[in-house]
Amino acid sequence: GAVVSQHPSWVICKSGTSVKIECRSLDFQATTMFWYRQFPKQSLMLMATSNEGSKATYEQGVEKDKFLINHASLTLSTLTVTSAHPEDSSFYICSANNPTSGRVDTQYFGPGTRLTVL
Amino acid sequence: GENVEQHPSTLSVQEGDSAVIKCTYSDSASNYFPWYKQELGKRPQLIIDIRSNVGEKKDQRIAVTLNKTAKHFSLHITETQPEDSAVYFCAASRGTDKLIFGTGTRLQVFP
Repeated sequence: GAVVSQHPSWVICKSGTSVKIECRSLDFQATTMFWYRQFPKQSLMLMATSNEGSKATYEQGVEKDKFLINHASLTLSTLTVTSAHPEDSSFYICSANNPTSGRVDTQYFGPGTRLTVL
Repeated sequence: GENVEQHPSTLSVQEGDSAVIKCTYSDSASNYFPWYKQELGKRPQLIIDIRSNVGEKKDQRIAVTLNKTAKHFSLHITETQPEDSAVYFCAASRGTDKLIFGTGTRLQVFP
């Protein structure tokens, strides 16, 4: 299989605090993971590509200093939303390809993290 | 930059009818085209995908067609059921590269 988990599934925080979201590949190793953000009734927008052992690649318009990504191992990528504000409230979803599967281009999605900033 | 357009944004059908959702992509190097079904508050669920070396693929009530020349691909759902009601997203990528998603189609199937 190819299972991706996320933690936490939901989080509520005060404005100005930082929140860390974890994305794990449970039964495979992922050199690359992707972070998406989805606002209500909208599509998934790619924020960044997380590369194990190197810096993440951010999409245009995404502040790298605000959304810190760390991919320190082949099974874990973390997204830290620094100094969160209400406009950062969203559904954050990660995904990963399983390079050892017969379907290397298929992305497996985590269950998502609902962030609410008060 | 890369872009994927998706139509319609909403689609209402009677149970048993067919539903068709269409997407157009801009990056001619795209070679992988998945379709996802997403229920409220849940992760996107892959329902079918097609690669650029194939023109059509079918899985029970679901089929996808790809026209590489026109850079179009479509999702066809036959004999729709109320449980097919959800938001459907098309996407395109260059293999293991990032997915570019369409804007989504909210499908409602009325009993």
